[in-house]
Amino acid sequence: EVQILETGGGLVKPGGSLRLSCATSGFNFNDYFMNWVRQAPGKGLEWVAQIRNKNYNYATYYAESLEGRVTISRDDSKSSVYLQVSSLRAEDTAIYYCTRWGNYVMDAWGQGASVTVSS
Amino acid sequence: DTVLTQSPALAVSPGERVTISCRASESVSTLMHWYQQKPGQQPTLLIYLASNLESGVPARFSGSGSGTDFTLTIDPVEADDTATYYCQQSWNDPTFGGGTKLELK
Repeated sequence: EVQILETGGGLVKPGGSLRLSCATSGFNFNDYFMNWVRQAPGKGLEWVAQIRNKNYNYATYYAESLEGRVTISRDDSKSSVYLQVSSLRAEDTAIYYCTRWGNYVMDAWGQGASVTVSS
Repeated sequence: DTVLTQSPALAVSPGERVTISCRASESVSTLMHWYQQKPGQQPTLLIYLASNLESGVPARFSGSGSGTDFTLTIDPVEADDTATYYCQQSWNDPTFGGGTKLELK
């Protein structure tokens, strides 16, 4: 069974930074690209970042609205992916989902990690 | 970015047929997918590559379209289908539609 578990959410002050972790199991992590998607309270879904696998040189891609403030990374030995977000603003308050990317589609999602940016 | 436009809400009665539309600002070929999100839960994949039913998803769900116009159909609708439905394209950097909230009368 595919399992995806995000951790690292919480309350952060404006201007601060946060590192989210995503641990996976139940599939060959090395074969897949991974993404982060976020959802602000009461709003829709917004793609944040993607990291490809070793076959694609771990290439990374970011949403323009966040580029420069986010970094996605992965550790294949731990079947895990990470998202570092800096210079946090109130509008970064959201649930952050880790998703598996297979055949052009996000075919598995974690339950999400809640991030609140507030003083 | 490719903008995806969905109607914000629909209300139907159980047993009826419902179609949810998604229009792309440019052609995305068939690289369009549909997700269901129930309140308090993460999205789940329903349809991938425009018309392919994800494993385990009831056959009441179907998808069609190519280019810029896509449709998710639920026939017949059941009470458990109350949810928000999102389209998402992967022709270029992924983008999502604003979501269509389906309510049952």
